[in-house]
Amino acid sequence: EIVMTQSPATLSVSPGERATLSCRASQSVSSNLAWYQQKPGQAPRLLIYGASTRATGIPARFSGSGSGTEFTLTISSLQSEDFAVYYCQQYNNWPLTFGGGTKMEIK
Amino acid sequence: QVQLVQSGAEVKKPGSSVKVSCKASGGSFSSYAIGWVRQAPGRGLEWMGGIIPMFGRTNYAQNFQGRVTITADKSTTTAYMELSSLRSEDTAVYYCALDSGSSGLFDIWGRGTLVTVSS
Repeated sequence: EIVMTQSPATLSVSPGERATLSCRASQSVSSNLAWYQQKPGQAPRLLIYGASTRATGIPARFSGSGSGTEFTLTISSLQSEDFAVYYCQQYNNWPLTFGGGTKMEIK
Repeated sequence: QVQLVQSGAEVKKPGSSVKVSCKASGGSFSSYAIGWVRQAPGRGLEWMGGIIPMFGRTNYAQNFQGRVTITADKSTTTAYMELSSLRSEDTAVYYCALDSGSSGLFDIWGRGTLVTVSS
């Protein structure tokens, strides 16, 4: 199974600042990588798929990059509603696997 | 726009089974795949398995092989996840999620069903 490793586990950022989250796969997943946002008490929400394509309705401040084994989610200017937990997920191979998450908190 | 409505919270005894439902509305249920993902308290997301209702084809995570059964009823556009031999570690929120491309990518999620396993 492909192991997805996210870093850092927690990221403290001030509103308006830029945030960069990392996700590494234990083997190549090509561009079959998604990012989800989860707020407390809510289901995950798809943000990015295909490593870099924003899902419907996702603001342009969210961007994804990478391929193979190294991926990045960037939030260009953090808004209050962006403080949440972010998960990456590979869908290149079965079983589907998720990273452990990065918690974005207010600095 | 498809919406997924899940059944309500459950409290179960160790060793018993639970069956969670997920009703899809607003779209063509059969042409999609439905996946099940669980989240233990304070933990991350764990894929359990999925089904393509049109073909009845299922795919399960090895961790749950033999304990999980995923089914779908096309006539009621409802998917089901049954987990047996419950133990305390199965206490979690169970999500169904729509995989509209049958690729393993989850674009729409249900709100989740809390299953508590306690004696």
